Amino acid sequence: RKEVEQDPGPFNVPEGATVAFNCTYSNSASQSFFWYRQDCRKEPKLLMSVYSSGNEDGRFTAQLNRASQYISLLIRDSKLSDSATYLCVVRAGANNLFFGTGTRLTVIP
Amino acid sequence: SAVISQKPSRDICQRGTSLTIQCQVDSQVTMMFWYRQQPGQSLTLIATANQGSEATYESGFVIDKFPISRPNLTFSTLTVSNMSPEDSSIYLCSAGEGPEQYFGPGTRLTVT
Repeated sequence: RKEVEQDPGPFNVPEGATVAFNCTYSNSASQSFFWYRQDCRKEPKLLMSVYSSGNEDGRFTAQLNRASQYISLLIRDSKLSDSATYLCVVRAGANNLFFGTGTRLTVIP
Repeated sequence: SAVISQKPSRDICQRGTSLTIQCQVDSQVTMMFWYRQQPGQSLTLIATANQGSEATYESGFVIDKFPISRPNLTFSTLTVSNMSPEDSSIYLCSAGEGPEQYFGPGTRLTVT
């Protein structure tokens, strides 16, 4: 079983739409949770950390459900520039970052 | 934040040869990491490189195949040894202090 599982998509949505990505993780001892964004042929970059209380950054909202071992990312009012692959990332120790396979999003004009 | 550079950005190599990838961080960091990202796949951690000690390898990766150096707090190298076409991948260097990790731009390796 993979440490982190994501729906690979692709998600093709029109501009202005709201889209949600989900992710599950297998290690109940996981300590930190993140969403990274990876543009085509680029390196991953941190989009936001995910906290138990849920957190929001502009159009982006991340939520964590520890009981269900489930993480989500909601993007409101999608922009063309949001087109990228979104990676769910879980830290289960000092060094151990586990990456999901990523969910590809394409925002269509 | 940290700015990370890698060299080379890409290379095409013949099977049986070796390639050394360099990673430079613009600030001192305790831990540096090497990842591999195969086409359409997620990132897989190869090893963690700490200055002054041997690298710690993840399951499925061995020092003979992927020797790593970490001579100081801003620099590391990863060598892909005795390459085969299965080693074709993007190799990414990463570093970070605290919850966020920063990645280099990656080295795109093609083995023919």
